[in-house]
Formats: sequence, C-alpha cells, structure tokens
Amino acid sequence: GAVVSQHPSWVICKSGTSVKIECRSLDFQATTMFWYRQFPKQSLMLMATSNEGSKATYEQGVEKDKFLINHASLTLSTLTVTSAHPEDSSFYICSARGLAGGADTQYFGPGTRLTVL
Amino acid sequence: AQSVSQHNHHVILSEAASLELGCNYSYGGTVNLFWYVQYPGQHLQLLLKYFSGDPLVKGIKGFEAEFIKSKFSFNLRKPSVQWSDTAEYFCAVNGMDSSYKLIFGSGTRLLVRP
Repeated sequence: GAVVSQHPSWVICKSGTSVKIECRSLDFQATTMFWYRQFPKQSLMLMATSNEGSKATYEQGVEKDKFLINHASLTLSTLTVTSAHPEDSSFYICSARGLAGGADTQYFGPGTRLTVL
Repeated sequence: AQSVSQHNHHVILSEAASLELGCNYSYGGTVNLFWYVQYPGQHLQLLLKYFSGDPLVKGIKGFEAEFIKSKFSFNLRKPSVQWSDTAEYFCAVNGMDSSYKLIFGSGTRLLVRP
C-alpha cells in the first residue's frame, strides 16, 4: 500500500516551453502533497505544499508563477514548470501525506528528471 | 527555523562492519523524526520513523534509530551492514505544526565494500 506515482519519469524540453508533471497517490487519498527539487548529490529542497481544493503554499524563494501547482483531486497533484530554462533542469519529486498505522507519514514518488535544452 | 544536520557526508565501510549515522535537528517543539533511504536509481523509501513512545525505533532491513531528546539527535544504526545497504540516507524532521512539512538533512552517502 501507500504507492505514489509520477509521470513522466523523465522529460527533455526546449527552453521556453512548459512541462507538466503529475503526481498520483494510487491506493490512498492524500489531502496534502508536497513538491521537492533535488539537485545532483544534494538533499531534497521543499518547493511547495499542495492542498486539495486550495492554493499551494510556496517556500521562500520559489516563484509561484513559474512553478504552477494544481491539486484538483485527493489523488492527483500537478506541477507545471512554465517557460522552462536550463537552470530549471533538476529532479522533481513529489510526496503524498498519508496515514500508516495511524501515524502521519509522507510517501514519495519515484521522481521526474527534467532536462531543459 | 527548523534545520537538520547530518555530519557524515560520505561513509565507506566493509561488509559486516557496524554503522552509525548522525542526525541532529534544531526545533524547539515536539517533532516527528524520519530516516529515508535512496538506493541508486530508486526513489526515497521510509526506513523508520519516530512519533512518540519508545525512543529506540526499529525499522526495516535491520536498521534502528534512537531519539535522544536532550541531544536533539536521532542517529541511525545497523550492527552489520551489507553490500546492498549502499545508498544515500536522509534524516528528516516534521515540526508537528499544521503544515506537515518535512525538513531534510543533506544526506549521507554510504558505500559498503564487499
């Protein structure tokens, strides 16, 4: 149980285009999902918190107009990187908040590697 | 602000050696603590977590961690590592506020030599 999927697993795009990444909780409902960014050999940096039916909460320094987050249902959140540039190339990881054994836990997706040419 | 420190960035061990990875956090209130593992080419998996109760927590694959509140620490241990434990290990803390955000440490890259 508690599986989170991401699609696509990797994407290559041209500079200036927009890319949408989907995050789905497959076997549980997630009122809260999180989006992280991981640079090579570095830790995960939280970008934003996505709550179903409401606006996302962005961390300091993250451009909300560039990284559009939509949490339309209890099992799906999307991250759209608008007008992508090479510096946006990174590994984007989502997680979904669920209950495991009655306790709060985040379950992580496999990540999406974005390369902007 | 909350922060998590992992002092060992790279650890190299031989099989059967014992492992201890340090994790210290900075937060004034009650916390939930986690260790995640990321095997090469795979996504993060939860190793173990501490919410309350017994401060010695046992996780999967023979890992355990001890929460020492007075030291703000949550060190990960394994008595005898295997080659398959080669991975990156992340400590994380959740400050139990309404945001449920996880703050991650910088990670420790473990290499186990056969």
